[in-house]
Amino acid sequence: GAVVSQHPSRVICKSGTSVKIECRSLDFQATTMFWYRQFPKKSLMLMATSNEGSKATYEQGVEKDKFLINHASLTLSTLTVTSAHPEDSSFYICSASSTSGLPPYEQYFGPGTRLTVT
Amino acid sequence: AQKVTQAQTEISVVEKEDVTLDCVYETRDTTYYLFWYKQPPSGELVFLIRRNSFDEQNEISGRYSWNFQKSTSSFNFTITASQVVDSAVYFCALSEAVSNFGNEKLTFGTGTRLTIIP
Repeated sequence: GAVVSQHPSRVICKSGTSVKIECRSLDFQATTMFWYRQFPKKSLMLMATSNEGSKATYEQGVEKDKFLINHASLTLSTLTVTSAHPEDSSFYICSASSTSGLPPYEQYFGPGTRLTVT
Repeated sequence: AQKVTQAQTEISVVEKEDVTLDCVYETRDTTYYLFWYKQPPSGELVFLIRRNSFDEQNEISGRYSWNFQKSTSSFNFTITASQVVDSAVYFCALSEAVSNFGNEKLTFGTGTRLTIIP
């Protein structure tokens, strides 16, 4: 159980276009989803936390208008990179957390999406 | 503020040797959780262990073992009789006490790239 998927796994887009990445919890309801960014050979940096039905909370230094996050249902969160530029090229990873049962509430990670902006 | 330090950026050992990956953390919380994740070349994070701050018992799982020393704020990870399949990047992470809404944040270390030489 506790499977999280991401789509697409890889995407190449042209500079100036927008790209949407989906994160789905396949077998549980995720009240909270997290979006991370990982540069090559670097650590994972939390970008934002999204709770179902409410606005995402962004980490300091992350542009809200650049990285649009929508958590419309308990099984789906989307990250849209707007007007992408080459410096947005990165590995984006989502995780999902459920509050069913007793804490602590484990985070389950998706397989990641590799974005390349040309 | 929370911080996780993995001083070893890269380690190479010959197959069958034992190897220890270091992790030192900083937090003001009295209740927290420590994690280790494995990231193989495919990119997907593989959960290895979670340990809460009140449980200082060392843990062994097959060839893996973890040494939690609260006095030195360390949570080291040892692989015995290493195998080529152990080659990956390993991340240590820390989360503060979970909230009722599962909004706990993970702070990752910078990772240690482990290469097992056949």
